[in-house]
Order: sequence, then C-alpha cells, then structure tokens
Amino acid sequence: QKEVEQNSGPLSVPEGAIASLNCTYSDRGSQSFFWYRQYSGKSPELIMSIYSNGDKEDGRFTAQLNKASQYVSLLIRDSQPSDSATYLCAVNTGNQFYFGTGTSLTVIP
Amino acid sequence: GAGVSQSPRYKVAKRGQDVALRCDPISGHVSLFWYQQALGQGPEFLTYFQNEAQLDKSGLPSDRFFAERPEGSVSTLKIQRTQQEDSAVYLCASSSAGGAHEQYFGPGTRLTVT
Repeated sequence: QKEVEQNSGPLSVPEGAIASLNCTYSDRGSQSFFWYRQYSGKSPELIMSIYSNGDKEDGRFTAQLNKASQYVSLLIRDSQPSDSATYLCAVNTGNQFYFGTGTSLTVIP
Repeated sequence: GAGVSQSPRYKVAKRGQDVALRCDPISGHVSLFWYQQALGQGPEFLTYFQNEAQLDKSGLPSDRFFAERPEGSVSTLKIQRTQQEDSAVYLCASSSAGGAHEQYFGPGTRLTVT
C-alpha cells in the first residue's frame, strides 16, 4: 500500500467551477499535510499547508483535513485556466515527506 | 529573495559515468531534502539534512548514490557509475525548520543516462 494515494485523473472542470482534489494517507502518525502545484516541466510549488483537523482557507483555495479518516482535500473555487496543472498531495511522517502521484486538473475556458 | 537553485539544470551522462548535482538552498534554511521524480510520478524522498548532519538517507536507491552538505549550506548529490534507470529529475528542497514544515523546491536537474 502506498503511503499517499491520489486519483490520477484527469479531472476536467469548466472555468468558474469548483475543483475538488482528494488524497488519502496510510500512516496515522502523520503530522503535516501539504498541497503542491506542478506545471508540466516545472518543479512543485507550495500552495497550502495544514496541520490540524478542519478547514484552512487561502484565497480561492481551501484545504480540508480529517485525521480520523486519514483524508486530505483541496478545493479550488472559481477555477481558472491557469489552474490547469498537476496537484500533488504531500504528507510528513517523521523526517520524510511522502508524495502522491498527483492529480491532473484541466480547467476548460 | 532568492529561492532554491540547482545546477546543472540538464545533464546527459553516458552509462558508467559519475555525476554531481548541486543544490543551493534558501539562505538560512537549516533543512535540505533531495528527491527523485520519474516521469508521471510524484517526487520520491532520497535523503534529508539538518544543517550538516544527514539525518535520513533511507531513500537512496543504492550505494552508488551519495549526498553531502559539509558546511550546512550547499549540498551535492553524487551518483557513481550511472545506470539508465537513474534517468529522472532530481529535486532539491529546503525548509526553515525540520521535516514537518513547508518545503520549497528548486527547479530540478534533469539527468539523462544514455
């Protein structure tokens, strides 16, 4: 079983819609959770971090964490074509970060 | 301010050659991580430094891989006797604190072994 699981997609949403990205993790001892965006041919760019249960909002982005269900999600409101990228979920356990394989998002104008 | 930088950005090596990849972290960041990213996959952890101490090297795929950070700043990832399966993007990331905190990535080095 992989440490971090994501639906690889592709996920397509129309411009202006809400995009919902999901991630599950296997280690209950995981402490910190992150969402990164990666454009094709570029390196990952940090979008959000979340450390405690509940929601965390930053602009158009909302991260949600449910440690009991070992589930992390990212909502993107008012999706824009520039949001088209691969979204990576990352989970910290001890000294290591585990990344999912990423979900490819396409926002259709 | 300046972000994480890596050099070279691209490296082509013949099988069996040794390569050295350099990472300059964000100034003042104590933690430094190396990752390997294959096409279509997420980054895979290789090793972690806190200052000059290598605290975790459990992700290094073989003893051909070696990393160092002698003065707690710049780090070098060395791959000896490169193999075709070593072809990947090697990413470096730094963090202002320990592994539980936000990491910022450099642009990566794309290694192609022919």
